[in-house]
Amino acid sequence: KAGVTQTPRYLIKTRGQQVTLSCSPISGHRSVSWYQQTPGQGLQFLFEYFSETQRNKGNFPGRFSGRQFSNSRSEMNVSTLELGDSALYLCASSLNTGGITMNTEAFFGQGTRLTVV
Amino acid sequence: AQTVTQSQPEMSVQEAETVTLSCTYDTSESDYYLFWYKQPPSRQMILVIRQEAYKQQNATENRFSVNFQKAAKSFSLKISDSQLGDAAMYFCALRDDKIIFGKGTRLHILP
Repeated sequence: KAGVTQTPRYLIKTRGQQVTLSCSPISGHRSVSWYQQTPGQGLQFLFEYFSETQRNKGNFPGRFSGRQFSNSRSEMNVSTLELGDSALYLCASSLNTGGITMNTEAFFGQGTRLTVV
Repeated sequence: AQTVTQSQPEMSVQEAETVTLSCTYDTSESDYYLFWYKQPPSRQMILVIRQEAYKQQNATENRFSVNFQKAAKSFSLKISDSQLGDAAMYFCALRDDKIIFGKGTRLHILP
């Protein structure tokens, strides 16, 4: 079974630009979560999608948005990039059959390393 | 708001020895799950062990075990017979309606 796939693996963007990151969950997984990982702040929760609906949102500005498609693939968009957005962005998928299944293990992708210059 | 605190940014242990990584958390929920994840240099996060809050028995997975103290909101990870492949960042995580991670502990294994 293929794991969680994130594309691209590396990205360099200029301040003010926008970027879209993609995440393909494990087949059959309907929940996708996004995290920003930086050395100073650790792993910070961005948002979670389940069946195309945003179920939870972290404490990030509106420049960070996401969506989920009917095949459970998810995209994350960051507009008006700032230097501080440089980070590793991780996506995780879970096999949730409905509602929130708390014991469900999250499977992570390898991340997209975004550098803003 | 939920919080997860890992007070040890870095730790070192001799190969074959035992090491304990600390984690404390806070949540107002009575029903939640706790996890330890490992992130090796390859960046792939891997689940090490999980603990249901309603279970008093500590979870174990081979060389990995936890000491779960619900009243103290403490969830430490013990690695026995440390191996070179255990070198990684270890993250403690709390899940009620979303997963919140601690800032991690970098574990070095000394040969």
